[in-house]
Amino acid sequence: EVVLTQSPGSMSLSPGEGATLSCRASQSVGGSYVAWYQQKPGQAPRLLIYGASSRATGIPDRFSGSGSGTDFTLTISRLEPEDFAMYYCQQYVYSPITFGQGTRLEI
Amino acid sequence: QVLESGGNLVQPGGSLRLSCAASGSTFDNCVMSWVRQAPGKGLEWVSDISNTGDKTYYRDSVKGRFTISRDFSENTLYLQMNTLRAEDTAVYYCVARSSYGIGGYPFDLWGRGTLVTVSS
Repeated sequence: EVVLTQSPGSMSLSPGEGATLSCRASQSVGGSYVAWYQQKPGQAPRLLIYGASSRATGIPDRFSGSGSGTDFTLTISRLEPEDFAMYYCQQYVYSPITFGQGTRLEI
Repeated sequence: QVLESGGNLVQPGGSLRLSCAASGSTFDNCVMSWVRQAPGKGLEWVSDISNTGDKTYYRDSVKGRFTISRDFSENTLYLQMNTLRAEDTAVYYCVARSSYGIGGYPFDLWGRGTLVTVSS
């Protein structure tokens, strides 16, 4: 099973600042089948990034993804109040599909 | 859209069937998945069924207890859950996964979830 480790576990920032979230895989997952999701309390997750670096439909361009192999990054420039949420990375190349444990982004 | 139903309180060892209704255009071409989230915990993939319905996949902890299926005439996805355990307690999300070419099948359309509680 591919274990995804996200860091940091939580981070406190202010609106207008930038955020860099990391996701490290226990083995190479290539470059195409890594995704990032945002989840707010009481809501379902929302796809932000797929294929490591492609934004999903309707996702603002302040969200960007990068990485390949074992190291992946979600960058949020100029945080908006609605961006404070939980973020999960995911690999969907190997079964079982796995998620990271999440990074909580707090104001 | 996708909409789950069927979550309930059930005793350990009991059974439950979850349903997920989808629009025709969504259902016909998508890989369909179930993902669960225990209270206060992270996301956990449970099961997949291929867009043709002929291939199914499960996480080890539910193999032999859960069965995923899809009915193309009803545009509905199912998850039959047997021999339920306390650790199966979670919100279960139905997810429709469209093809993104070289981007594969990410989890792009989520339902609102249905709560399954396994407790005596």
